[in-house]
Amino acid sequence: GEDVEQSLFLSVREGDSSVINCTYTDSSSTYLYWYKQEPGAGLQLLTYIFSNMDMKQDQRLTVLLNKKDKHLSLRIADTQTGDSAIYFCAEGEAGGFKTIFGAGTRLFVKA
Amino acid sequence: GAVVSQHPSWVICKSGTSVKIECRSLDFQATTMFWYRQFPKQSLMLMATSNEGSKATYEQGVEKDKFLINHASLTLSTLTVTSAHPEDSSFYICSASREGTQIGYTFGSGTRLTVV
Repeated sequence: GEDVEQSLFLSVREGDSSVINCTYTDSSSTYLYWYKQEPGAGLQLLTYIFSNMDMKQDQRLTVLLNKKDKHLSLRIADTQTGDSAIYFCAEGEAGGFKTIFGAGTRLFVKA
Repeated sequence: GAVVSQHPSWVICKSGTSVKIECRSLDFQATTMFWYRQFPKQSLMLMATSNEGSKATYEQGVEKDKFLINHASLTLSTLTVTSAHPEDSSFYICSASREGTQIGYTFGSGTRLTVV
């Protein structure tokens, strides 16, 4: 069945770059998403990439997509303590349909 | 734009009682709303998809008589946990899809339910 996998934890020092990785199985997905969840809150769409793109940059965020290997990554440059949260990788269709979420990567940022 | 309000943020109830959670799209019409349940350190589990004016579509293993979903208007969907038990304690999150070509979901802030 369709599956999205990502590592559970990542710890970085403030100011360093963070790279969160994700693999997925459904090659027909139109969009690949990154969501951020802060404690006790809902998910916030951080960024997304269309499946025919290789890279997307949005300020401190860089998304890389290797469609052949079904590998997605999120790089956060100059990581700040406010970036500490859980980051969910997801694949799906437009409008949110058929969206499959990974288990989330908990990012710890040490001052 | 695209704000989803979920209420209440947290609720504690006694076993056997029912709890209603509301999900409202504040500045757009949500033709479809989704209800998720999240267990600690786990991802979102889709419970059901609700379309305005029609019956919700439940995922396999989700009891529709226990988790009643009503999507009465284009801006409001409710989830009622009936005869709640401690094992129903969880974080429930709704999301809404805007009519048209919205990319991704807009999520509510979630409801932490504790059944004692």
